Amino acid sequence: EIVLTQSPGTLSLSPGERATLSCRASQSVSSSWLAWYQQKPGQAPRLLIYGASSRATDIPDRFSGSGSGTDFTLTISRLQPEDFAVYYCQLYHNSPGAFGQGTKVEIK
Amino acid sequence: QVQLLQSGSEVKKPGASVKVSCKASGYTFTSYHMQWLRQAPGQGLEWMGIISPSGGNTNYAQKFQGRVTMTRDTSTSTVYMELSSLSSEDTAVYFCARDPGGFPHFGPSPGAYWGQGTLVTVSS
Repeated sequence: EIVLTQSPGTLSLSPGERATLSCRASQSVSSSWLAWYQQKPGQAPRLLIYGASSRATDIPDRFSGSGSGTDFTLTISRLQPEDFAVYYCQLYHNSPGAFGQGTKVEIK
Repeated sequence: QVQLLQSGSEVKKPGASVKVSCKASGYTFTSYHMQWLRQAPGQGLEWMGIISPSGGNTNYAQKFQGRVTMTRDTSTSTVYMELSSLSSEDTAVYFCARDPGGFPHFGPSPGAYWGQGTLVTVSS
């Protein structure tokens, strides 16, 4: 099974700063099958990006995804107060898929 | 608007079974597959399986094969996930989730719409 490793574990930034989150797969995967989510405490995940770079409905354009092969990136161009949360990457399509362990973006 | 409404929290003893429901509204129930995922306390997400509401076909993650059963009731637009032989390791929040559309593949898909989650606690 493919393992997704996210880094860093925690990212401490201030509002207005740029956030760069990494997701690395243990073997090459199709970029068509990579998604990113945001999750806040006590809430269900919120889909941000699928197909590595396609924004989901109603997702602000400050969120962008990129990457291919084994290395994928979620970028938040200018952090807003509501963006402080945990972010997960997901590999889908082939069962059972995989999720990364998450990156927490916290207020510095 | 698409809404997925799950049943309430459950407390079960080891060895018991639990059945969680997910009632869909705001779209044509039989036109989209439904997935189940879970999240143990303080942990990441785990995909359990998927059901086709139109035909009732299922595809379970190998880890849960033999222990999980997903069913649906088209008359009430509700899908169900039953997990048996519970242990403390099954303590988690269980979610149903639907893809955004355009994902006919019958396997893990992006979850664009989620239920609110159902906490299942397994404790003696």
